[in-house]
Order: sequence, then structure tokens, then C-alpha cells
Amino acid sequence: AQSVAQPEDQVNVAEGNPLTVKCTYSVSGNPYLFWYVQYPNRGLQFLLKYITGDNLVKGSYGFEAEFNKSQTSFHLKKPSALVSDSALYFCAVRDDTGGFKTIFGAGTRLFVKA
Amino acid sequence: KAGVTQTPRYLIKTRGQQVTLSCSPISGHRSVSWYQQTPGQGLQFLFEYFSETQRNKGNFPGRFSGRQFSNSRSEMNVSTLELGDSALYLCASSLDGGSIDEQYFGPGTRLTVT
Repeated sequence: AQSVAQPEDQVNVAEGNPLTVKCTYSVSGNPYLFWYVQYPNRGLQFLLKYITGDNLVKGSYGFEAEFNKSQTSFHLKKPSALVSDSALYFCAVRDDTGGFKTIFGAGTRLFVKA
Repeated sequence: KAGVTQTPRYLIKTRGQQVTLSCSPISGHRSVSWYQQTPGQGLQFLFEYFSETQRNKGNFPGRFSGRQFSNSRSEMNVSTLELGDSALYLCASSLDGGSIDEQYFGPGTRLTVT
């Protein structure tokens, strides 16, 4: 069965510092991994995805994520945080067994302090 | 392109009533998924439709149902509402719902059951 874990409910970082939001996953087949962001009172927005190939994936707003197969992780990173990055971040997974179902993590709230 | 639209944006219902929520996907997208978002449970997958067929269903009681029309618009229905059904209901569309497709989310319908 598919599952996603985001071990931190909240991450606090100062503006200008690097940020990391952690995600680990479990799937039966090959994983397809996604990050989404939710700003207050808005729907989720797609940030980036890993399908295959290069383990470092670049996405919107300067975010990137590193796929690590041996650690079954897909951590979201940004070299320099902005106050406007404060939001709720969700990691999501699908696999290639054809279930047409996306499993989301519980979400990590990111606070960036000026 | 217009984004995913959901109507209504807010609803207040009484226990025992039923409710119908509507979702219009991005033009050209044929897959529509529904999610329930609550503070305690996060994002829970309800069901996914493609070409008017339900391809997958989450672990929700039969009171939750949905359908998709030939123009890809989708509706979900909740009958015999319970207090615990209060949540943000999100609709997401993608091209064909394949494992590698990212999803585009609507703003959600906030349902309050009293």
C-alpha cells in the first residue's frame, strides 16, 4: 500500500536561510513523487515532481527536491527562504501499478520569519 | 486557460440533509479527483473519474458518491450529512489522470454541517 510521511508538523526558518521540508514514502512499484503548496484560503498549487532521471528536480518559485531511492525520501529544499514562502506544504505519491490514486502526506506548515 | 472552478464556495447544511458540489476542470483535462481536507485527517482521497467512469475510490462510506459528465464536469454528493462531514472539499483535474500527471486544484468548497 502507498503511504507518505511528513515527520514535521511545522518548520521555522529565518528569511534568507536555507529551508528543508522532509518527506518519506512507501510504494509497491516505482514512485512518482509530487510537492504541492497551499496558501491560506486557497487550493493546492503544484510545485514540482519526480518521475525518473535526475535525482534533483527543480520547480516553481526557486524550490527543488532531492529524490533518494535508498532512503525512500523526497525532501523539498530552497537555498534562501522568503517570508512569502510561508504556507502549508504537501508531499504526495503515486506508483506505476495503475491505481490512479494520489496519497498525500499530512502536510508541513512552513513559517519564514523576517 | 481558466483554472479549476468549484461551486459553491461555501455551504452550511443541517445534519441529515444532502448536498451536491460541482467541479469544472481545466479545459482539455479529462480526469477529475475529489479530496476531503480536514485539520485532523489532512487530505483524504475520495474518488477519481475519467471519461465518466469511476476508476478508483477512497475509504469513505457509501453516503459519498460522485459522477462525471461527458464534458468532464464532475459532481459529488453527500447524503445524510453528519457533523463529521464538515470539511474543505477539493476538486483536482489532470490531463488523463496518469501516474505522472500533476493535478490542478480548485479553491474548494467549504462545507459546514450544523
